[in-house]
Amino acid sequence: DADVTQTPRNRITKTGKRIMLECSQTKGHDRMYWYRQDPGLGLRLIYYSFDVKDINKGEISDGYSVSRQAQAKFSLSLESAIPNQTALYFCATSDSSPPTQYFGPGTRLTVL
Amino acid sequence: KNQVEQSPQSLIILEGKNCTLQCNYTVSPFSNLRWYKQDTGRGPVSLTIMTFSENTKSNGRYTATLDADTKQSSLHITASQLSDSASYICVVSDGGYQKVTFGTGTKLQVIP
Repeated sequence: DADVTQTPRNRITKTGKRIMLECSQTKGHDRMYWYRQDPGLGLRLIYYSFDVKDINKGEISDGYSVSRQAQAKFSLSLESAIPNQTALYFCATSDSSPPTQYFGPGTRLTVL
Repeated sequence: KNQVEQSPQSLIILEGKNCTLQCNYTVSPFSNLRWYKQDTGRGPVSLTIMTFSENTKSNGRYTATLDADTKQSSLHITASQLSDSASYICVVSDGGYQKVTFGTGTKLQVIP
């Protein structure tokens, strides 16, 4: 969905490096999310934010941090990347009623 | 633990044929169930959403059904097209987008 953009789309990095994934949205939604998707597993929630001052851990937040710079921007950081963080990462936004999620195109991250 | 199981894991059908994908869940309490379509290399896109009071919802050639008593849902695709080739993901919420459980998806391939 072009209303939710993610950068970069692909990234290869080395173990121990710090990396930031960025998400921007033009839908005007307050709620934003970061998920990771691994083969054979469903999407899993890393962090979510219901407004600029509200940040919450999801199911698998260890090793990750986030920053909500503005209503439209939500970034995900890996402070010290490790190989098992190799995955497809999705940002999503949602309205509140009805609560439909809109996903970005994803970032494919490889940690060597 | 909340779980969402989908079957089959993968499916190959001929163009023009119908197919049905299954979703069983153990999420409680139940708020709503969604079906998403995820094209390769793209983010998931919502197809349908159903609350416990709805037992069927259509979106073009896609028809979702829900049996809240047996905790089962199905997605029926009519007159399949090559563009239907994608993964279909069942997502169940127990009250909010911070409390959703994703299935692992059914990968559908439509061949000429």
